[in-house]
Formats: sequence, C-alpha cells, structure tokens
Amino acid sequence: EAQVTQNPRYLITVTGKKLTVTCSQNMNHEYMSWYRQDPGLGLRQIYYSMNVEVTDKGDVPEGYKVSRKEKRNFPLILESPSPNQTSLYFCASTTQGQGITGELFFGEGSRLTVL
Amino acid sequence: GENVEQHPSTLSVQEGDSAVIKCTYSDSASNYFPWYKQELGKGPQLIIDIRSNVGEKKDQRIAVTLNKTAKHFSLHITETQPEDSAVYFCAASKGLNFNKFYFGSGTKLNVKP
Repeated sequence: EAQVTQNPRYLITVTGKKLTVTCSQNMNHEYMSWYRQDPGLGLRQIYYSMNVEVTDKGDVPEGYKVSRKEKRNFPLILESPSPNQTSLYFCASTTQGQGITGELFFGEGSRLTVL
Repeated sequence: GENVEQHPSTLSVQEGDSAVIKCTYSDSASNYFPWYKQELGKGPQLIIDIRSNVGEKKDQRIAVTLNKTAKHFSLHITETQPEDSAVYFCAASKGLNFNKFYFGSGTKLNVKP
C-alpha cells in the first residue's frame, strides 16, 4: 500500500530535550516536505527536499533541522524544543520531474506537545 | 512570498444544500491551486485541483473555479452529505516543480443530517 508513515504519532516532551520525528514514504517520490498545522493558521511549510541531499527552508524553519540521506526518509529534528513548537506536524511527498502531478501525499500526522 | 486567504473559517449547511469556500492569493505567478480535505485524525487528501490555464474543473459533486484576474478560486460542493463534513484547505503553488505550497487557514464544514 502506497503511504507516508510518520513516527511517533503522539509525543509529550520537555523543553530542550532533542527529538526526531521520522517520515518514510514507499512511493519512490523525489520531493518530501514537512508542515506544521496550528489553529487558524492552516498548514505552514517548515522544510522541503527536492531529492537526496537537497533540502531548503520553507516559511517557518526556525528551530528545526532536516536531512535527506535516502530517498525514502526525511526526518524532522528539533534540537532544543520549545513550547511554541507544540503543534501537529505532517510529512508529505510527491513526484517531481517527469510524471509530476503536484498532488501531495500526507502522513497521518504527529502531535507534539512541548512542556 | 505568496499569501493565501480562505473564507469562511466555519460553514454549517443542511444535508443536500450546496457549500462554497473561497480563497484569494497574492502572487500572480501562482499557477496551481489544489484543494485538500482533512478528516478528523487524518492527513489532508487531495480532492480536486486546477491549473491556471483552466477556468473551471468539475468532478461529480465537486467543482473548482479560478479567476486569475481577480486572483481568487473557489470550491463548490453540491448535494452535500454528512461524509463531506471535514476541514478543507485551499493552496497555491507555482513553477514547474511546485516545490513550495502555500495553504489557506482552513474551513471546517459541518453538514447537518
């Protein structure tokens, strides 16, 4: 089954404790991206990656890091989480280049609470 | 960057009625406008999209219209059903590879049986 898998789905942590949210897709997509969803603000792009070893900032990258060492994986790293990073996070992927449709395939979300 | 505004934030309709959600965008270079539906506890899913060379697109009970001059696009759902209840997001993107997507703030649609 074609899917984007995020882990963990739920996490409560404390300020300053490094954490990683993993994202994996099995559709051989070149493009992957992270979004955060906050009430009244919709989905805001954190980082995106056009392909392996190629990453770029979205609109709200402060406090986050990403890496793209393999095509299927795109982890989101919070080096020193703060309460304003409490949010619902989504990973998404899509094709690039030949066969591009523009459709984003989203994971089921990771709800993060930073105390 | 692009700014996408979406209205209304909540919409309540009776089953069988129509629902319309509207979005405006600021960057005239945007050329791709998808609509996503997010059901409770799930990730958004694409329901319909439109490119800037088309003014209207329809898929069964769902249609999207685009007015490039006014820089706004709308989602129309006819004969609404309770399973249409969800949060809907509009988005805008541009360029050949759609590398950045800008989303509206979302509309919570409630269809009352």
